[in-house]
Amino acid sequence: AQSVTQLGSHVSVSEGALVLLRCNYSSSVPPYLFWYVQYPNQGLQLLLKYTSAATLVKGINGFEAEFKKSETSFHLTKPSAHMSDAAEYFCAVTGSARQLTFGSGTQLTVLP
Amino acid sequence: NAGVTQTPKFQVLKTGQSMTLQCAQDMNHNSMYWYRQDPGMGLRLIYYSASEGTTDKGEVPNGYNVSRLNKREFSLRLESAAPSQTSVYFCASSEGGVTAAYGYTFGSGTRLTVV
Repeated sequence: AQSVTQLGSHVSVSEGALVLLRCNYSSSVPPYLFWYVQYPNQGLQLLLKYTSAATLVKGINGFEAEFKKSETSFHLTKPSAHMSDAAEYFCAVTGSARQLTFGSGTQLTVLP
Repeated sequence: NAGVTQTPKFQVLKTGQSMTLQCAQDMNHNSMYWYRQDPGMGLRLIYYSASEGTTDKGEVPNGYNVSRLNKREFSLRLESAAPSQTSVYFCASSEGGVTAAYGYTFGSGTRLTVV
């Protein structure tokens, strides 16, 4: 079985501050890992993905994530938050189940 | 640049009514998926189709049926809608077959309310 846990359903940061959204996974096989972003009343857009190449993955809009096998983590970071980053973020994994399993999401609020 | 197109965008049903949600993709993807999104629960897989002519149950299939009409189209049917099916429904497609290593492309969603 595979699963994803996102720590913190709501995260608030000030504009210009570091963004850190946490994701831990479980998988019985080497996983593929993804981060998606959802803006209000829209579908999900792929931010970045890890598919067993480099452990530090760079995505769109200045986001990046690091795969840490020993910690079973895939945390999403951005050095400096922008107001336009306010959205809901989903971590997802494919493992033995061969379909994407999503976490419950983290709502990011950016304060002026 | 259509990608994945879902219709309708909004729908209100009465309990017991039936309806079909339509999904079409123009990216020549092999695999297609239906998810429902509920607050605090992320996205849960209802049904998926690994390739044209095949469909399989996901995590929450009860109360739904699907049809993979052709490679482009994958529809979701509610035969007798219930208030518990009030949700936002997303269709997605993937080019990488069942392994989904390439990630999914999502439609913009259908907001369904059952009263």
